Amino acid sequence: KNQVEQSPQSLIILEGKNCTLQCNYTVSPFSNLRWYKQDTGRGPVSLTIMTFSENTKSNGRYTATLDADTKQSSLHITASQLSDSASYICVVSPNDYKLSFGAGTTVTVRA
Amino acid sequence: EAGVAQSPRYKIIEKRQSVAFWCNPISGHATLYWYQQILGQGPKLLIQFQNNGVVDDSQLPKDRFSAERLKGVDSTLKIQPAKLEDSAVYLCASSFRGTGRVTDTQYFGPGTRLTVL
Repeated sequence: KNQVEQSPQSLIILEGKNCTLQCNYTVSPFSNLRWYKQDTGRGPVSLTIMTFSENTKSNGRYTATLDADTKQSSLHITASQLSDSASYICVVSPNDYKLSFGAGTTVTVRA
Repeated sequence: EAGVAQSPRYKIIEKRQSVAFWCNPISGHATLYWYQQILGQGPKLLIQFQNNGVVDDSQLPKDRFSAERLKGVDSTLKIQPAKLEDSAVYLCASSFRGTGRVTDTQYFGPGTRLTVL
């Protein structure tokens, strides 16, 4: 059973618009949560890492939030650009040594 | 700094054939990971090396998959014989310490896309 669920599976937005991606997890215990960006044909690249004590973390136009009580995280993309077209993967660590990957959300930004 | 290198980038084989992938991690990174990413899914860890020792290979199908990391640097992943369901992207990643802790970021290579016909 996949312990990290992401939604939506895919979305299309117009350049300049904002969007929010969701990540729900059942991984327990919880150590940290990461968001990765994976461009087509490339390996994933880390965007943010949050521990249970952090509610929000930003990386440029990317802002991740975490609610450890409800086991939910979101990734908000502000003023989207064509280069934001990619798959965004949520990764949860139950401890310091394991990672559980979500299936990803594919974002397509159109001019 | 140079990133994680993988080759080949693409490979097409017929079922029951064998195939090998190569990975050169970032210089100085102690830990190396091989992942299998099936289309539409997140990466699945196949094997994790710490230097040249295996830390975790619990999800490696050992009847057909093998991996080695000689001298604690480069690594090869082999599939023999390949099955249709092995069609996927095989990602190699490395991290400096590889403890999986918050401070250990994994750096991924571009992957090898395998198609089994």
